[in-house]
Amino acid sequence: GAGVSQSPSNKVTEKGKDVELRCDPISGHTALYWYRQRLGQGLEFLIYFQGNSAPDKSGLPSDRFSAERTGESVSTLTIQRTQQEDSAVYLCASSRPRLASGNTIYFGEGSWLTVV
Amino acid sequence: GENVEQHPSTLSVQEGDSAVIKCTYSDSASNYFPWYKQELGKRPQLIIDIRSNVGEKKDQRIAVTLNKTAKHFSLHITETQPEDSAVYFCAASSPGSARQLTFGSGTQLTVLP
Repeated sequence: GAGVSQSPSNKVTEKGKDVELRCDPISGHTALYWYRQRLGQGLEFLIYFQGNSAPDKSGLPSDRFSAERTGESVSTLTIQRTQQEDSAVYLCASSRPRLASGNTIYFGEGSWLTVV
Repeated sequence: GENVEQHPSTLSVQEGDSAVIKCTYSDSASNYFPWYKQELGKRPQLIIDIRSNVGEKKDQRIAVTLNKTAKHFSLHITETQPEDSAVYFCAASSPGSARQLTFGSGTQLTVLP
């Protein structure tokens, strides 16, 4: 596709339920990133994939959070037993590898999650 | 790992004036420095970036300067317009970082008409 695609765009869920957020990166982008942004706050790094390997998982806030990526395409961020503090927009981004070599990160529109 | 500090957190300027946002980074190996603009309710979008082999880059009313010795870089917006009002994020990329890109905390710029 032309850009990074995320779904759902909006999700309201009850506390304690599980949610899955999907990201479809730009074709050819081997690097994929997940960030969390609470209302009025900055970009909180969650996880980065190079291909289907995640060199750094330390950004995931708790063991309720997990992420997978199939090959060099779609990624899924799963939040189990959601809590109200999980309410935020979850942004996915993608890029070609080696950012300093003329490559840039492009963001999707985000998945807005509200836990009630 | 890399640490990026961004100042100020909020900035208000009169339309037509200039705005400057500053960032410092900690990893001397960082070699790529993008700036993103995020309008309310929208995704962050790249507005300008600079690589470590240059000291300044301009694109119309926007410029970025890089001082590798002091490990800081700045965004300059001249002749500000109301549509420049947004949150601006700086970032630094270190080749050795498993996270690839570290963001600053953001600056809320308000251009007053």
